[in-house]
Amino acid sequence: DTGVSQDPRHKITKRGQNVTFRCDPISEHNRLYWYRQTLGQGPEFLTYFQNEAQLEKSRLLSDRFSAERPKGSFSTLEIQRTEQGDSAMYLCASSAFAGAPNQPQHFGDGTRLSIL
Amino acid sequence: SQQGEEDPQALSIQEGENATMNCSYKTSINNLQWYRQNSGRGLVHLILIRSNEREKHSGRLRVTLDTSKKSSSLLITASRAADTASYFCATDAWAAGNKLTFGGGTRVLVKP
Repeated sequence: DTGVSQDPRHKITKRGQNVTFRCDPISEHNRLYWYRQTLGQGPEFLTYFQNEAQLEKSRLLSDRFSAERPKGSFSTLEIQRTEQGDSAMYLCASSAFAGAPNQPQHFGDGTRLSIL
Repeated sequence: SQQGEEDPQALSIQEGENATMNCSYKTSINNLQWYRQNSGRGLVHLILIRSNEREKHSGRLRVTLDTSKKSSSLLITASRAADTASYFCATDAWAAGNKLTFGGGTRVLVKP
């Protein structure tokens, strides 16, 4: 399967702990996006990369959140000192951007984070 | 923040019936996309319609876009139990890095 892959699928942790999620985009997709989705709501944008450059961060992304895409391939999203309000599904998506901006984003199955 | 709203929030129909859902948005867009999400899973891309297009078809799906009213509709014809899912519209704009801004979704239940 060559779709977007996210790991882990589920993460349960105690409040105050740090967590890290990984996203492997579709090969050769140079844009990678992170979204957060709470129960019953649509996803909300967090941040995106074009190759290894992080081009935009949402105001939702507090200083406890950091994302990287070191070699322009996989990406990690880290949350430090987790809080109850961080409980959500974290979704990763990728798209091709080679001078053709009308490309759909392809999503992974997400990482569901539960804070105890 | 959400770009707009979807209507209805929930829809229950019998297998074989058509399902129609609407999406409204607030700002200028380049594309509008529809996604399906099964419970606990990621989003599956259904169809993308550009701002200069008015209607698009894909299999049993028909999407319309009215940029003057800032609204779109998704029609699923001859629904099947497997169409049971949440459906989201999302808009993007090139100037904003094509990040997607989603509506709140329509939860569709197709009863066999």
